[in-house]
Amino acid sequence: ELKVEQNPLFLSMQEGKNYTIYCNYSTTSDRLYWYRQDPGKSLESLFVLLSNGAVKQEGRLMASLDTKARLSTLHITAAVHDLSATYFCAVSSYANEKLTFGTGTRLTIIP
Amino acid sequence: EPEVTQTPSHQVTQMGQEVILRCVPISNHLYFYWYRQILGQKVEFLVSFYNNEISEKSEIFDDQFSVERPDGSNFTLKIRSTKLEDSAMYFCASSGQGDPYEQYFGPGTRLTVT
Repeated sequence: ELKVEQNPLFLSMQEGKNYTIYCNYSTTSDRLYWYRQDPGKSLESLFVLLSNGAVKQEGRLMASLDTKARLSTLHITAAVHDLSATYFCAVSSYANEKLTFGTGTRLTIIP
Repeated sequence: EPEVTQTPSHQVTQMGQEVILRCVPISNHLYFYWYRQILGQKVEFLVSFYNNEISEKSEIFDDQFSVERPDGSNFTLKIRSTKLEDSAMYFCASSGQGDPYEQYFGPGTRLTVT
């Protein structure tokens, strides 16, 4: 059974600081997704990573994938309050397969 | 930009009642999914649907659940006899062909069983 773990579960950080969220998964997978969820809202797609060594950046967020280590990271640079949300990684083994989600990381940016 | 829509946004029902949650996937998508999220927890897969049949279902998706694509646009999730533990946010998603096969999520239906 595919398992996806994220850490930390909760992250409180000051504006302007950098931090990294980690996503580990248990079996071979070739696609990794990052989603953002605001309270009471749906899931907003942030990144899709499809190959080993893939790196994608959007604004203050950068995601990377190491399929050999079964690890993805979401790096936050110079955090701003607008980034406060819960971030989920999700994994699927092949195209159009179900997503298996991680536990989520609740990020709070403190002014 | 095309989006997945869901109705209703919030449904309150009594234990034992049947509910139908409705979704309109993105029009040219072929793969459809239902997920649920109990308050404060992670998102869990329920069922996937392709070519008018279930392609995969989870342990959660027992005989009380069913899915249907009654016409060319709607995709429904029916819970025959709701339980208190069915209270959750239910998300519909759809995906098309061609990389990255990204799944697009609807806004969700909050189901409250009393």
